[in-house]
Amino acid sequence: NAGVTQTPKFRVLKTGQSMTLLCAQDMNHEYMYWYRQDPGMGLRLIHYSVGEGTTAKGEVPDGYNVSRLKKQNFLLGLESAAPSQTSVYFCASSLGYEQYFGPGTRLTVT
Amino acid sequence: DAKTTQPPSMDCAEGRAANLPCNHSTISGNEYVYWYRQIHSQGPQYIIHGLKNNETNEMASLIITEDRKSSTLILPHATLRDTAVYYCIVRVIRGAGNMLTFGGGTRLMVKP
Repeated sequence: NAGVTQTPKFRVLKTGQSMTLLCAQDMNHEYMYWYRQDPGMGLRLIHYSVGEGTTAKGEVPDGYNVSRLKKQNFLLGLESAAPSQTSVYFCASSLGYEQYFGPGTRLTVT
Repeated sequence: DAKTTQPPSMDCAEGRAANLPCNHSTISGNEYVYWYRQIHSQGPQYIIHGLKNNETNEMASLIITEDRKSSTLILPHATLRDTAVYYCIVRVIRGAGNMLTFGGGTRLMVKP
């Protein structure tokens, strides 16, 4: 099993550009999450999903959209990137009490 | 979810036990204590969780005080690879979305 994978690993965007981050899990987990982590800080929840076709806002959802069309995939979109969205983005999935995290995507917005 | 307080940093000698404290004085009766760690910019990794009894697994031991207002994560024989940020999180075991709220954590430095 690959676990949780994230694509891409690194990306540089210009202000105003858009992009989609892909998270995939092969553990048949119901729950999936997107977090961001700024330097020296803990993770903050952006959006999450409790099942295919459902999404909900987390702590810091502004500027992001998500979709969960397939159970194994959770997409995070930035419609108009801003320098404040420079961060490391982590995806996670869970079936119950334990969350499994991906390796992260390092995004820089200039 | 109850808020937790952890020291920002700790040092430990390699081969010695690392004892990481966490205060959660407002914990509710149905809230569990979870520990995760994050090694150098990798994704966080689950370590252990418990409700009121002490717990042990292959990675660590979790000691929860009788009043449940604080807990200690114990790494019995710390190695250099245990250098990481350790997060103590309190939440119900099956809440809406099973979300985790990460604080600042404790940066553990294991030294040779």
